[in-house]
Amino acid sequence: QKEVEQNSGPLSVPEGAIASLNCTYSDRGSQSFFWYRQYSGKSPELIMFIYSNGDKEDGRFTAQLNKASQYVSLLIRDSQPSDSATYLCAVNPRADGLTFGKGTHLIIQP
Amino acid sequence: IAGITQAPTSQILAAGRRMTLRCTQDMRHNAMYWYRQDLGLGLRLIHYSNTAGTTGKGEVPDGYSVSRANTDDFPLTLASAVPSQTSVYFCASSDSGGLRDTQYFGPGTRLTVL
Repeated sequence: QKEVEQNSGPLSVPEGAIASLNCTYSDRGSQSFFWYRQYSGKSPELIMFIYSNGDKEDGRFTAQLNKASQYVSLLIRDSQPSDSATYLCAVNPRADGLTFGKGTHLIIQP
Repeated sequence: IAGITQAPTSQILAAGRRMTLRCTQDMRHNAMYWYRQDLGLGLRLIHYSNTAGTTGKGEVPDGYSVSRANTDDFPLTLASAVPSQTSVYFCASSDSGGLRDTQYFGPGTRLTVL
């Protein structure tokens, strides 16, 4: 059983709209949750991290965590074409490296 | 500050050959990691090191070995490469290796084994 699940997409969103990316995880002991953005042919780049239940906002990005439902999401407001990328959800259930989902491919349509 | 550097950028290798992928970081991070990324499978942890002198196995360690002689370097060795090791390899590092640590990734090495 994969520990981190994401919808692979592609998720197509009009420019200026809100993009909503979702992720579920299986290990209830997970304490930290990360969202990385990866452009084609490039390395993952950290977008957000969240440790506590609720929302965390950073500019146009909001991470949401619900530990009871084992669910973490990323909202991107005012989506731009430059946001088109693959978004990777990662959790850290043990202090030996991250467990990643397979990623959601996001396309922002101009 | 360069962050994390990896070498080579890409490599084509004959099956059965030995290959070492290099990773160096200049952030004085204690923890370092090796991942491979394959289409449809995502990023998977190969080996990790929480501090110089110690290493551990990740999800897919078979066929790979690592060493951590100092803080900055974390080479990954394929003793006898096989075609299934064709992948993109990313090295990452984090400050302490704790559960709340943020990992930063190098630019990657694209390896093709024929």
